[in-house]
Amino acid sequence: HVQLQESGPGLVKPSETLSLTCSVSGDSISRYYWTWIRQPAGKEPEWIGRMHISASAIYNPSLKSRVTMSLDTSNNQFSLKLNSVTAADTAVYYCATGITAEEDAFDFWGQGTMVIVSS
Amino acid sequence: DIVMTQSPDSLTMSLGERATINCKSSQSVLSSSNSLNYLAWYQQKPGQPPQMLIYWATTRHSGVPDRFSGSGSGTDFTLTISSLQAEDVAVYYCQQYYVSPYTFGGGTQVEIK
Repeated sequence: HVQLQESGPGLVKPSETLSLTCSVSGDSISRYYWTWIRQPAGKEPEWIGRMHISASAIYNPSLKSRVTMSLDTSNNQFSLKLNSVTAADTAVYYCATGITAEEDAFDFWGQGTMVIVSS
Repeated sequence: DIVMTQSPDSLTMSLGERATINCKSSQSVLSSSNSLNYLAWYQQKPGQPPQMLIYWATTRHSGVPDRFSGSGSGTDFTLTISSLQAEDVAVYYCQQYYVSPYTFGGGTQVEIK
């Protein structure tokens, strides 16, 4: 089965760019849709966006102006960039995919990486 | 956006009791083309990612104990734990995957009395 692992800086300064990578193992990244989700402490998960090798990325309209996602098929990784961050972007960030049912019902998740936005 | 509203916010039950969690969507998540409800349920334990329990509103994911069941259609859904076990202490979320942006309910904390 596919396994996902997030990586990236745990601390980002306000107004800077948050950059995270999700490393995929167990299957080719070209096969599935890949999603980023974040979860502030004590709150519900928030869908950030998803992409596929053969389709344009779609983003949450609430974040669309600040988000970019990309795929690196040679390294089997996909990435998230969120610019102009504020304290409101502090959260655990997950990469995820949906395989069993639908691409947007998530049955495979990474363990998550905590990102704190602070000076 | 489709707003997902869960109730109650928290639930404290005794071991072996039946627990029921409700989820209401602000618009229908039932597809007229395939008659499927685009609704999933997740369980999240502290320090872990959410884990899928149910998809298509009623289909139990592989490996999920049969004490977990999902029901409902359209805008009203229910997750039932038929006999609460100690390992079921967690937060439970519903999620619609019918229309982007895909949205989650606010969560229901389940605890043991």
